[in-house]
Amino acid sequence: QVQLVQSGAEVVKPGASVKVSCKASGYTFTSYFMHWVRQAPGQGLEWVGIINPNSGSTSYPQNFQGRVTMTRDTPTSTVYLEVSSLRSEDTAVYYCAKAIHGRLDYWGQGTLVTVSS
Amino acid sequence: EIVLTQSPGTLSLSPGERATLFCRASQSVSSSDLAWYQQKPGQAPRLLIYGASSRATGIPDRISGSGSGTDFTLTISRLEPEDFAVYYCQQYGSSYTFGQGTKLEIK
Repeated sequence: QVQLVQSGAEVVKPGASVKVSCKASGYTFTSYFMHWVRQAPGQGLEWVGIINPNSGSTSYPQNFQGRVTMTRDTPTSTVYLEVSSLRSEDTAVYYCAKAIHGRLDYWGQGTLVTVSS
Repeated sequence: EIVLTQSPGTLSLSPGERATLFCRASQSVSSSDLAWYQQKPGQAPRLLIYGASSRATGIPDRISGSGSGTDFTLTISRLEPEDFAVYYCQQYGSSYTFGQGTKLEIK
């Protein structure tokens, strides 16, 4: 069965960076794009970007460009999200989600990133 | 960027009633590339509907989607206690965006 298992919660200081992992299993890792979506406390869903695990190519929305980097490690079927220059507004649960033809059919359990001094 | 506006913000209904949720796009969504997700407190979202009207695996037939172009609807014909949650629409025809969500609460 498809599983996406994310790394644990993080508390980071403003201005620092954080790297969150998402380990996939139960399907062919390189055959499906992976998205990252975040959700601030009590708020809605916000798309953070997409990675092609086969080629490593990425795409980010304009409001995240320059601050977000997505990478993958094919041998371990793991994707990573790094967010830099963190500010309090980046406090959120970050989800990885497997895509099929654009829709997100499986989601990780979420990783809470808290930005606090 | 395509902006999705969901209405109403909150919908208060009783079990057994019919729920109708709306999602309007700021421009036409290509090929009906629109999905609906359900999210319960403390959980990740779950895919319900894709392609505007196709049910995802395991989704009961009392949940249905319809619409095209800029106007889309999610209908739950007879509400069960487990249906009370927040619902999001998402378009994936031109980049990716989500609506702000509709909270379906017990009246």
